[in-house]
Amino acid sequence: GNSVTQMEGPVTLSEEAFLTINCTYTATGYPSLFWYVQYPGEGLQLLLKATKADDKGSNKGFEATYRKETTSFHLEKGSVQVSDSAVYFCALRTSGSRLTFGEGTQLTVNP
Amino acid sequence: GAGVSQSPSNKVTEKGKDVELRCDPISGHTALYWYRQRLGQGLEFLIYFQGNSAPDKSGLPSDRFSAERTGESVSTLTIQRTQQEDSAVYLCASSLRYRRETQYFGPGTRLLVL
Repeated sequence: GNSVTQMEGPVTLSEEAFLTINCTYTATGYPSLFWYVQYPGEGLQLLLKATKADDKGSNKGFEATYRKETTSFHLEKGSVQVSDSAVYFCALRTSGSRLTFGEGTQLTVNP
Repeated sequence: GAGVSQSPSNKVTEKGKDVELRCDPISGHTALYWYRQRLGQGLEFLIYFQGNSAPDKSGLPSDRFSAERTGESVSTLTIQRTQQEDSAVYLCASSLRYRRETQYFGPGTRLLVL
């Protein structure tokens, strides 16, 4: 079956630090990959996505590259801000309609 | 425009009672999904609707769980004879029929079974 493994949190960084949140997956077929973000008190929002190998998804300074050879989709940002504090979820979708999510990584950015 | 809305936002119930959770998708979104998020865990898929039919309900954890949808609008998730392990945040999402890779989530209903 499909599964997503994220690095364990919580992650605490200072403002302007470099962020990496690791995500690896197991899937049948060729999945599409996603990062969702949940800001405090808000619903899940799609942050970025990639639908085929070597695609790079990007949004709001965040990037993730679909690496088929390592089955990974690590989230990166060069300089985090306090406003990036949130829970980040890696997810995949194969041929069906369901999304399979990782457990989420809590990020706290201190000023 | 309005996003996905869910009600109630919080529900506390006693073990053994039935509960109904409601989801109003974005207007025009024919696809609707229910997920569950237990404390400290990722989201678990429950059921997917396309219109008012459910081609994938394989994620429903037991026959105490059921869901229905009226046309391409409101959906209700019903949990009968609630158990403490049903305590979770229940999330609803919707998408366009041919853009199912982009799902828009509601704020969730936080269910606590005492």
